[in-house]
Amino acid sequence: NAGVTQTPKFQVLKTGQSMTLQCAQDMNHEYMSWYRQDPGMGLRLIHYSVGAGITDQGEVPNGYNVSRSTTEDFPLRLLSAAPSQTSVYFCASSYAGGPYEQYFGPGTRLTVT
Amino acid sequence: GDSVTQMEGPVTLSEEAFLTINCTYTATGYPSLFWYVQYPGEGLQLLLKATKADDKGSNKGFEATYRKETTSFHLEKGSVQVSDSAVYFCALSLETSGSRLTFGEGTQLTVNP
Repeated sequence: NAGVTQTPKFQVLKTGQSMTLQCAQDMNHEYMSWYRQDPGMGLRLIHYSVGAGITDQGEVPNGYNVSRSTTEDFPLRLLSAAPSQTSVYFCASSYAGGPYEQYFGPGTRLTVT
Repeated sequence: GDSVTQMEGPVTLSEEAFLTINCTYTATGYPSLFWYVQYPGEGLQLLLKATKADDKGSNKGFEATYRKETTSFHLEKGSVQVSDSAVYFCALSLETSGSRLTFGEGTQLTVNP
């Protein structure tokens, strides 16, 4: 059982470049989300989805796009990378609609120069 | 808006010392409360949770009690081990926001032998 997987583990981008962070889960969870983790700020919600075809913005959505074409996958797209997007990104999944445990991926460390 | 505040860190203890990490929250409605732990280089994992007032969550020797009157969910452990060294996050979710989590800033715990 792989749980939540994320690729890549590390990435360095130049300002203005675009890229996609991949996230997949094999637990048939309806709810998936993306967070960024910055020192002293905890985890902040970027985007989330409660099922295939349904996405919504979180606390810090600017500069990021998501789509959910399948239950398993929830990619995060950086449209034009900026140094302010240097962070560690975590994907998480859970059953929807209640205080269920969220399962986190191992994270992607992104540096934008 | 809803928010979670954790005690300022980092926290450094000797093995077998008593641990308390304070967590207070502000929320409209009746949140569910969580403690997540992040070991070095890994994603977050659920440590314990409580879904209503006066509930006590417990796991691996850690405990936290949901105190509605003081809007608190302090994490305690009677005797810490070196292996408990990690970052601890307090979080809440609301019935009205489904599975969305709001996190505190995180508290780095280092336990020395």
